[in-house]
Amino acid sequence: GAGVSQSPSNKVTEKGKDVELRCDPISGHTALYWYRQSLGQGLEFLIYFQGNSAPDKSGLPSDRFSAERTGGSVSTLTIQRTQQEDSAVYLCASTSSYEQYFGPGTRLTVT
Amino acid sequence: AQSVSQHNHHVILSEAASLELGCNYSYGGTVNLFWYVQYPGQHLQLLLKYFSGDPLVKGIKGFEAEFIKSKFSFNLRKPSVQWSDTAEYFCAVREGGGADGLTFGKGTHLIIQP
Repeated sequence: GAGVSQSPSNKVTEKGKDVELRCDPISGHTALYWYRQSLGQGLEFLIYFQGNSAPDKSGLPSDRFSAERTGGSVSTLTIQRTQQEDSAVYLCASTSSYEQYFGPGTRLTVT
Repeated sequence: AQSVSQHNHHVILSEAASLELGCNYSYGGTVNLFWYVQYPGQHLQLLLKYFSGDPLVKGIKGFEAEFIKSKFSFNLRKPSVQWSDTAEYFCAVREGGGADGLTFGKGTHLIIQP
């Protein structure tokens, strides 16, 4: 079956603009995770959803970051008033048990 | 908070050499442990995982890892590497029994020279 998909694959935005990143998990996967991969920082956990609720938002770096999930499926990660330090690859993963399957990521560049 | 250390940031080996990548974690309770690989231009893939039982786990492509609880370690090994093993390798940990997000190490960039 299809894996985790993310869109867009690349996004270039100007500092101060808002961006929305989308994740389509594997069908039937109940849990969905967002991570950020940046140079020198490795992979950082941002937020996870169980169904439509987010039990753990501890990794969101600031209140400019928010995420939602609707219908237990698609999730969007929104970054408001983007800053240059937000430039990174944003990865989404989904799981039905313990193994997380990762998407290809969205490369965000803030100029 | 838990943390994961990968001590080798860059490793260069020749084909057929043996590989061991170190991974240490800080959490003292029950853990789930993972190694992921990211080949150039591809997304993260699971190499192997440990939840419980035999501390020596075997994964795909000839990789294995040993969980040593007393040393808080989960080192990745392969007896004979191939050029196609060139990739970024990430160790990750999660507190056992939960569905929390993974805590990753900073990764090891492995280059295999033909």
